[in-house]
Amino acid sequence: DVKVTQSSRYLVKRTGEKVFLECVQDMDHENMFWYRQDPGLGLRLIYFSYDVKMKEKGDIPEGYSVSREKKERFSLILESASTNQTSMYLCASRPGQGAAYFGPGTRLTVT
Amino acid sequence: AQSVTQPDIHITVSEGASLELRCNYSYGATPYLFWYVQSPGQGLQLLLKYFSGDTLVQGIKGFEAEFKRSQSSFNLRKPSVHWSDAAEYFCAVLSGGSYIPTFGRGTSLIVHP
Repeated sequence: DVKVTQSSRYLVKRTGEKVFLECVQDMDHENMFWYRQDPGLGLRLIYFSYDVKMKEKGDIPEGYSVSREKKERFSLILESASTNQTSMYLCASRPGQGAAYFGPGTRLTVT
Repeated sequence: AQSVTQPDIHITVSEGASLELRCNYSYGATPYLFWYVQSPGQGLQLLLKYFSGDTLVQGIKGFEAEFKRSQSSFNLRKPSVHWSDAAEYFCAVLSGGSYIPTFGRGTSLIVHP
């Protein structure tokens, strides 16, 4: 079975803090994604990566950056957390043209 | 550009009743199609996928979906719903050559006892 893990299920941070969300997949997938999910807005793509050290902006990249130094790990960074970044963050990975597999999600609260 | 429409925001069914969740896509060629389920506070779990071949696809948890090219639809069905099926359901489409699947807004399934 494909396994996608995320470093935290719940996280509480203060405004202005730098926040790291880690995602690891164990199936050697080329593509990895970060989404945020908010009520009524569905899944919105923040960034994706199609190879090590390669990254592309998604629909809402402002306020975020990413890092992919190894194929299995894709990190999302909030440079200076703000309250409007309180959300559910979902990581996913996908091989070639196959289905995407999701991690359990991180519920981030910024106070 | 690919797009997905799930016309129903909420669906309410009684336990034991049959279920059909609608999904329409927009893409010129035959896309790859997926259904996911999300329980509260959890990530999305893949229910089933269609790439090619038989247009009736069987998935996990007793779900199936049928690809109808003429209607640009990929509706999800289950003959008898269980209370544990209450969740959010997402349809997704991936066009050939694209890295990024497009997700519908989701349909919330409520199951009455």
